[in-house]
Amino acid sequence: EDQVTQSPEALRLQEGESSSLNCSYTVSGLRGLFWYRQDPGKGPEFLFTLYSAGEEKEKERLKATLTKKESFLHITAPKPEDSATYLCAVQVSGGYNKLIFGAGTRLAVHP
Amino acid sequence: EPEVTQTPSHQVTQMGQEVILRCVPISNHLYFYWYRQILGQKVEFLVSFYNNEISEKSEIFDDQFSVERPDGSNFTLKIRSTKLEDSAMYFCASQQGNYGYTFGSGTRLTVV
Repeated sequence: EDQVTQSPEALRLQEGESSSLNCSYTVSGLRGLFWYRQDPGKGPEFLFTLYSAGEEKEKERLKATLTKKESFLHITAPKPEDSATYLCAVQVSGGYNKLIFGAGTRLAVHP
Repeated sequence: EPEVTQTPSHQVTQMGQEVILRCVPISNHLYFYWYRQILGQKVEFLVSFYNNEISEKSEIFDDQFSVERPDGSNFTLKIRSTKLEDSAMYFCASQQGNYGYTFGSGTRLTVV
């Protein structure tokens, strides 16, 4: 069965304290791995898509990387406005375009 | 920036009643989806829709659920006889090609 596991469940950082979120996946065949940000009571907001091992993408303070078994979302010098839940999702081969989500990591950045 | 619009933002309904959740996807997108998120749980896939028909559906999407694209802009999810366990946030999403989905802000459905 295709599975996505995110860790940690929750992370508290001081402003400026860099860290990484992990997304490990077990799938029959990966078509793409997606990172989303979700604010309370809102829909997921698209951040990145990664397609192959070794690929990296960056946006402001965020950088996503992908290996054959996991992806990392690195947050460099976070600010309080980066506080949100970060969701990882995969699209699998033969699964049309549906996304399989992990449970997310709740990030709180304190000044 | 183009948005996916969902209405209403909050719907309260009595158990056994029918509800229709509405979505306006991004105009040039081709793939449409419904997902739900029960409070404190993962976002779960319900159904995907392409070329005016369902392309995939999950086990959750049983006979009480249906989707429709009645015109060129709207995409609806109907729940025929709501149950308490249908209470959740329902998200509509649309996609063009292989890019990331764009999700709407959701409809919070409360069944009482």
